Amino acid sequence: GDSVTQMEGPVTLSEEAFLTINCTYTATGYPSLFWYVQYPGEGLQLLLKATKADDKGSNKGFEATYRKETTSFHLEKGSVQVSDSAVYFCALRLSGYSTLTFGKGTMLLVSP
Amino acid sequence: EAQVTQNPRYLITVTGKKLTVTCSQNMNHEYMSWYRQDPGLGLRQIYYSMNVEVTDKGDVPEGYKVSRKEKRNFPLILESPSPNQTSLYFCASSLSTGQGASVQFFGPGTRLTVL
Repeated sequence: GDSVTQMEGPVTLSEEAFLTINCTYTATGYPSLFWYVQYPGEGLQLLLKATKADDKGSNKGFEATYRKETTSFHLEKGSVQVSDSAVYFCALRLSGYSTLTFGKGTMLLVSP
Repeated sequence: EAQVTQNPRYLITVTGKKLTVTCSQNMNHEYMSWYRQDPGLGLRQIYYSMNVEVTDKGDVPEGYKVSRKEKRNFPLILESPSPNQTSLYFCASSLSTGQGASVQFFGPGTRLTVL
């Protein structure tokens, strides 16, 4: 079945460090890919998305590129802030379906 | 303001006492879904609904019921809660077709403890 695999956390960084959170997927067909973020005590919210191969999603300094050849959608940010501390979820949605399949989430902790 | 609301936000109950967690959205979305979030397991889908009177099981439906009598509401019912249903629950909604179907809007969560 369809699945999403994320690197396990927590990822602990100092402010202004470079961030990469790895995400790979297994899916039949050509999914759309997403990163959702969950700040402490809140629900999930969409961070960025890409709907086809080689698309780059970006938002709030975060970027991810849809790599069909490696079935990956790694999240990157050049300089993290303390306010980026959250849990990040990679997800996929198959074309024609509404259901999202989520990874297990990766906690990011950024210290001053 | 476009939003998904859930009530209650926190609930402590005892085994076997029926409860309902409400979910409402004001965005005229066709698709609604319930997830539970557990440490180390991420989000798992319980039930979803493509439209009024159309519901289907997700990955972990055992012990739960849902109904979709109105487009805006999608309550989650636990007829006889058990301690293994202690979890953080999220409701979400989206359009069902087109580019808008890409984005799910999540409620703030309901933390349920079953003693």
